[in-house]
Amino acid sequence: AQKITQTQPGMFVQEKEAVTLDCTYDTSDQSYGLFWYKQPSSGEMIFLIYQGSYDEQNATEGRYSLNFQKARKSANLVISASQLGDSAMYFCAMREAGRQNFVFGPGTRLSVLP
Amino acid sequence: GAVVSQHPSRVICKSGTSVKIECRSLDFQATTMFWYRQFPKQSLMLMATSNEGSKATYEQGVEKDKFLINHASLTLSTLTVTSAHPEDSSFYICSARVTGQPNSPLHFGNGTRLTVT
Repeated sequence: AQKITQTQPGMFVQEKEAVTLDCTYDTSDQSYGLFWYKQPSSGEMIFLIYQGSYDEQNATEGRYSLNFQKARKSANLVISASQLGDSAMYFCAMREAGRQNFVFGPGTRLSVLP
Repeated sequence: GAVVSQHPSRVICKSGTSVKIECRSLDFQATTMFWYRQFPKQSLMLMATSNEGSKATYEQGVEKDKFLINHASLTLSTLTVTSAHPEDSSFYICSARVTGQPNSPLHFGNGTRLTVT
């Protein structure tokens, strides 16, 4: 069963606008972590933001924020004031407590338009 | 901090030869490292979990004898693609978590693009 779902294969956003990338997950664990990564065309994976399952506040890192809705099992990434350099693939990932490995979603390709 | 270095970044080899890819954690210890393979426009596929001082754990469908993993120290893991064939051409990327930090994200190397001719 797919544990991470990203329903948007591709997204377009106008420069300086905000965009939300969707991520839903499936787990029966109470303790887990959620992560977002950015992968530019060069290939490197860049860690953006982390949300713990017990965190009461939504995580924020600069222009990135995570809209965490635990009951709905969603962890959407919000990018504010989009820049051309934000054009990339974005992956949502989860690690369940007690497990070593991370599970990645299929990704969303974001294109920022000038 | 938490930098992972992966070499080489690109390699072209002839069919039948072996290729070694190195993954180093430069400023932290990593008892566990992960090797992923990524096909164009797809997500990361976990190949194996590399554990320092012990045998790697391979995912279902990954040939152990084809993809040899050695994790000889707390900062170095290597992936050797043996007797490479054109179908092994892909993007390989390693990652590691900081040992002892439960909420540590995965820190990735820059990846290796392997082309087998």
